[in-house]
Amino acid sequence: SQTIHQWPATLVQPVGSPLSLECTVEGTSNPNLYWYRQAAGRGLQLLFYSIGIDQISSEVPQNLSASRPQDRQFILSSKKLLLSDSGFYLCAWSVGDRVIETQYFGPGTRLLVL
Amino acid sequence: AQTVTQSQPEMSVQEAETVTLSCTYDTSENNYYLFWYKQPPSRQMILVIRQEAYKQQNATENRFSVNFQKAAKSFSLKISDSQLGDTAMYFCAFMKGNQGGKLIFGQGTELSVKP
Repeated sequence: SQTIHQWPATLVQPVGSPLSLECTVEGTSNPNLYWYRQAAGRGLQLLFYSIGIDQISSEVPQNLSASRPQDRQFILSSKKLLLSDSGFYLCAWSVGDRVIETQYFGPGTRLLVL
Repeated sequence: AQTVTQSQPEMSVQEAETVTLSCTYDTSENNYYLFWYKQPPSRQMILVIRQEAYKQQNATENRFSVNFQKAAKSFSLKISDSQLGDTAMYFCAFMKGNQGGKLIFGQGTELSVKP
């Protein structure tokens, strides 16, 4: 069965520091991968999605970036964090060749920028 | 652009009763999919139910069912025999067909099941 991991679970970082959040999927190959941010416990905002290695699309301009160094690994990064980057970050995966491309989410990372 | 609206920020229901959560969406697409996700206090997003727009039959998963009204662009979730474990934030989501799986979420409805 497929599983998705995110780490760290919680992170407190000072403004201006770098960021690296990691997401790894097990039990499937060539998944589509997604990064979402959720602020204040409300709706999710899609940040990045990737349909393959070296194929990453950004949905919202920001000071964040994403990379996919391996087929099942998705990294969310920042060179300098802003206060507004605080939130709950969720990674998700899906398989694109199904009748309904359903996304399955990881446990998330709580980021607090001080 | 597609939008998803959940007009009920908070709802409550007594244990064992039935509750319906509302969701409307706006799209000009004919090929799309709709989802309900649950986010309990742990904050992990869990798929509850999904519906293909081309199917007229409403999806059902155990105590969860939907009322899909395509013409009205409405996709409500009914929870029967509510349980304490159903307490969570519920999100309605829309996905265009053949769009790389990008989901558009509503703002959520916080459901409390009371003993």
